[in-house]
Amino acid sequence: AQSVTQPDIHITVSEGASLELRCNYSYGATPYLFWYVQSPGQGLQLLLKYFSGDTLVQGIKGFEAEFKRSQSSFNLRKPSVHWSDAAEYFCAVGAAGGTSYGKLTFGQGTILTVHP
Amino acid sequence: GAVVSQHPSRVICKSGTSVKIECRSLDFQATTMFWYRQFPKQSLMLMATSNEGSKATYEQGVEKDKFLINHASLTLSTLTVTSAHPEDSSFYICSARRGPGGYTFGSGTRLTVV
Repeated sequence: AQSVTQPDIHITVSEGASLELRCNYSYGATPYLFWYVQSPGQGLQLLLKYFSGDTLVQGIKGFEAEFKRSQSSFNLRKPSVHWSDAAEYFCAVGAAGGTSYGKLTFGQGTILTVHP
Repeated sequence: GAVVSQHPSRVICKSGTSVKIECRSLDFQATTMFWYRQFPKQSLMLMATSNEGSKATYEQGVEKDKFLINHASLTLSTLTVTSAHPEDSSFYICSARRGPGGYTFGSGTRLTVV
């Protein structure tokens, strides 16, 4: 079964500082990996995704993530955080095939607080 | 492109009544949609997979008689919470798949059962 762990429940950074949100996954084959952002009471917005190819993925709003197969990780980074980045971030893994094809498993989420 | 509309965004209902939530893909056809539930300060849990023209597939522990899913067209899936109870209060989110790995989420529905 696939699973996702986001070790950090809550992270606080200062505006302009760099950011890294951790994500570790468990999956038997090469997974589809996603990062989503959710503002309070809202749906999910896709930041970026990885299927194959270049392991460094660029997303929207200046975010990037790196797929490291050896570490089963897909950490999200941003070089300079803006106050509007404050939200909850979810890492998700999806099956590329088999009986679980199409189903996404989400991590517990990381709440990002940005101090001025 | 790839917009998913979910309606209503908020609903309050009395215990024992039923509530229907709609999920529409506006600019693409979705043979498969997914329904998730999110408790406060928790992650999203997949409830069921909605397949156009066939029965939904429910995850373990989800009562299919309580959470009725209908996917009658390529652009619409509905989730009906029957005989709602306060413990059904939650945030429900749908997603539609457009091609491999192309998941678009609705904006969610906040259900409060009083």
